[in-house]
Amino acid sequence: QTVVTQEPSFSVSPGGTVTLTCGLSSGSVSSSHYPSWYQQTPGQAPRTLIYSTNTRSSGVPDRFSGSIFGNKAALTITGAQADDDSDYYCVLYMGSGIWVFGGGTKLTVL
Amino acid sequence: EVQLVESGGGLVQPGRSLRLSCAASGFTFDDYAMHWVRQAPGKGLEWVSGIDWNSGSTGYADSVKGRFTISRDNAKKSLFLQMNSLRAEDTALYYCAKDIAATILGGWYFDLWGRGTLVTVSS
Repeated sequence: QTVVTQEPSFSVSPGGTVTLTCGLSSGSVSSSHYPSWYQQTPGQAPRTLIYSTNTRSSGVPDRFSGSIFGNKAALTITGAQADDDSDYYCVLYMGSGIWVFGGGTKLTVL
Repeated sequence: EVQLVESGGGLVQPGRSLRLSCAASGFTFDDYAMHWVRQAPGKGLEWVSGIDWNSGSTGYADSVKGRFTISRDNAKKSLFLQMNSLRAEDTALYYCAKDIAATILGGWYFDLWGRGTLVTVSS
């Protein structure tokens, strides 16, 4: 089965910018995979940040943005804040009603 | 209140079965596709299965195909996951999630999540 890849961990300073990526073990990510991004803090259900590559979900601050960067989907956080310290997951649509999540990136803001 | 509430989790022996339920409220349940997503302790999210608004299409992760069956009862606003031949690696918190679309074939996204129900497979 296709593996969706994410950086296991990343660190950013408060106020800094960070780009997390979401790739495929074989092939390139495109808008046809409808990449979406979820934020999860410990003990909580995931929260939708971005869907269909670059559309922010309702209530999500504009410091979060999505894109296709090279052959991967990307989530960029501009002006990171302390409460952005979370786990971030991408999920790709593989067609035929099948989704695959990436392994997640643990983002540390310090 | 718009919410999803999962139930049915518990401790079960390997090889046995368990049926999870998800009760929806606060929205028109039969307008939307639904999914199950799980998270093993200390691990990442794994999409398990999805179902169209009218049960017309279903999808399964390779890891559960042939063992798990997703279904829904729109009259009761409920989603189900029948889990057979359970394995230790099925131990996880199982989330019910609502799709933004009516079909699982559109590649949309999950906009509402429950709090999960814990399944532990162990002898």
